[in-house]
Amino acid sequence: AQTVTQSQPEMSVQEAETVTLSCTYDTSENNYYLFWYKQPPSRQMILVIRQEAYKQQNATENRFSVNFQKAAKSFSLKISDSQLGDTAMYFCAFMKGSNFGNEKLTFGTGTRLTIIP
Amino acid sequence: NAGVMQNPRHLVRRRGQEARLRCSPMKGHSHVYWYRQLPEEGLKFMVYLQKENIIDESGMPKERFSAEFPKEGPSILRIQQVVRGDSAAYFCASSKPGLAGLSSYNEQFFGPGTRLTVL
Repeated sequence: AQTVTQSQPEMSVQEAETVTLSCTYDTSENNYYLFWYKQPPSRQMILVIRQEAYKQQNATENRFSVNFQKAAKSFSLKISDSQLGDTAMYFCAFMKGSNFGNEKLTFGTGTRLTIIP
Repeated sequence: NAGVMQNPRHLVRRRGQEARLRCSPMKGHSHVYWYRQLPEEGLKFMVYLQKENIIDESGMPKERFSAEFPKEGPSILRIQQVVRGDSAAYFCASSKPGLAGLSSYNEQFFGPGTRLTVL
């Protein structure tokens, strides 16, 4: 079974600064995917960024980037130039790879991020 | 293209009543996943269904909970004889069918959730 751990229950940062959210995971799988989801106060789950385990290059999406350390089973999210709209719960998630690409997601407990004006 | 739809958005039940939560997947999606989010916690997988089939129900409580995804109509998560501990947000996600033989990933698109409150 897979586990996902987020050790920072809450974080806050000033607007325009950079913040890094931590995530570690445990798995015996070799083929898998890692995700960061954002859940704003509306509770809608929004996919922020995805990383394929077989790719060495870290994924980036505009102001969001990850630091994927496969050997250490670490997957942190960096938010640059943080904006007030980034205030939300952030969940790290794991999905094992399969031939059909349809598997369940395993989520961490989340980090509540507050951007301070 | 409408997103994943869930209804009702809010549901209040008294202990012992039944709760029915509905999920309409995105057009072209034949896979549905149900997740539960207890207050101040992350989402936990409950069940994964394809049309007319339950593929993985390893996260479903053994009693009182059931799910279906009929050939026509939405997927239904049914909770019988609700208790206060069932109070949570229930999220549905849908994805496209995969391509056989290829190691691939199909994004799960989430609905807005149903917040169930048991009095």
